[in-house]
Amino acid sequence: GAGVSQSPRYKVAKRGQDVALRCDPISGHVSLFWYQQALGQGPEFLTYFQNEAQLDKSGLPSDRFFAERPEGSVSTLKIQRTQQEDSAVYLCASSLWGINEQFFGPGTRLTVL
Amino acid sequence: AQSVTQLDSHVSVSEGTPVLLRCNYSSSYSPSLFWYVQHPNKGLQLLLKYTSAATLVKGINGFEAEFKKSETSFHLTKPSAHMSDAAEYFCVVTFSSGGYQKVTFGTGTKLQVIP
Repeated sequence: GAGVSQSPRYKVAKRGQDVALRCDPISGHVSLFWYQQALGQGPEFLTYFQNEAQLDKSGLPSDRFFAERPEGSVSTLKIQRTQQEDSAVYLCASSLWGINEQFFGPGTRLTVL
Repeated sequence: AQSVTQLDSHVSVSEGTPVLLRCNYSSSYSPSLFWYVQHPNKGLQLLLKYTSAATLVKGINGFEAEFKKSETSFHLTKPSAHMSDAAEYFCVVTFSSGGYQKVTFGTGTKLQVIP
């Protein structure tokens, strides 16, 4: 079956632009996670959804970051007024329930110039 | 609070020799522990997981890990390295209770396999 997909795979933005990153989880997966992975680092937790409810957004680095999952399936991570320090790979993962086994997408590499 | 420390950022082994990737964790609760592998330009893949059942956990591709509570360790091992094992490996500690989920990744260990 299809895995987790993310689009776009690569995004180049000028500083100050808004970007939207999309995640399509595995069908039927209740839980969805977003991570930020800077070059040479491990993934850092950003936010977590259970169905459409955003249960934890403690990892979002600033109020420029916003995530939604309105129908409990596809999720979008939006970054407003992008800054150079936002350059990273953004990973999405889904799981049947909770954090027992997460299935990761290929990531979106964001470069802010 | 929880944290995870991967003691080596790089490990280099010869093909056919044993692999040891070290991971120590800290958690105020009873955590679950995972190892994920990331091959270049590919997504993270689950290798194995510990969720309070058997302390010796077997994973894919011949990898295994032993949960040692007294040492707060979850080291990853493989008896004989293969060239295809060259990748980055992440140790992950998690805790969940009801709707509360906490996930912490280590900083990763890059495994190099020398032919």
